[in-house]
Amino acid sequence: AQSVTQLDSQVPVFEEAPVELRCNYSSSVSVYLFWYVQYPNQGLQLLLKYLSGSTLVESINGFEAEFNKSQTSFHLRKPSVHISDTAEYFCAATGGSYIPTFGRGTSLIVHP
Amino acid sequence: EAQVTQNPRYLITVTGKKLTVTCSQNMNHEYMSWYRQDPGLGLRQIYYSMNVEVTDKGDVPEGYKVSRKEKRNFPLILESPSPNQTSLYFCASSLIGPYNEQFFGPGTRLTVL
Repeated sequence: AQSVTQLDSQVPVFEEAPVELRCNYSSSVSVYLFWYVQYPNQGLQLLLKYLSGSTLVESINGFEAEFNKSQTSFHLRKPSVHISDTAEYFCAATGGSYIPTFGRGTSLIVHP
Repeated sequence: EAQVTQNPRYLITVTGKKLTVTCSQNMNHEYMSWYRQDPGLGLRQIYYSMNVEVTDKGDVPEGYKVSRKEKRNFPLILESPSPNQTSLYFCASSLIGPYNEQFFGPGTRLTVL
């Protein structure tokens, strides 16, 4: 069965500092990877996704994630965070079953 | 506007009083699902549906029912709610296929006293 592990439940960081949110997956078949963001009191929304091709994918608000097949990872990074990036971030994977598997989420807390 | 709607957004009820949380999407998606979100446990899938009249259990189906009589609607039914069902519930939908993103509703915060 497919699984997704987010290694950090909470990541505190100061504004303008870089951040990395870690995600590892396990799958023996082709896998598609997603990062979703949940702002306070809202539902989840797609941040970025990896389907194929370039292993580095970017979002419109400065986040990027790199698909690393050998390490089965899809870590999310941003070189300089803002207060408005404070949110819960979920990594998700789908494969042959079509049903997405979500990680437990990482709470990014940006301090001024 | 493409969206998933849920009603009600907030609900406080008492143990044993049947309730229904509605979910509707206007994107003609085949796949719909329900999740509950609890602190420290992330998202856990309750039920999902691949199409009309096709539903299946997720990871935590006990105490819940669903139906899919129309493509756009996927209500979640709690026939006899208990306090351990106090949670934040999300409905999601997508096209069928592993490369398609999930679209989430705004959530329903349920408190069972």
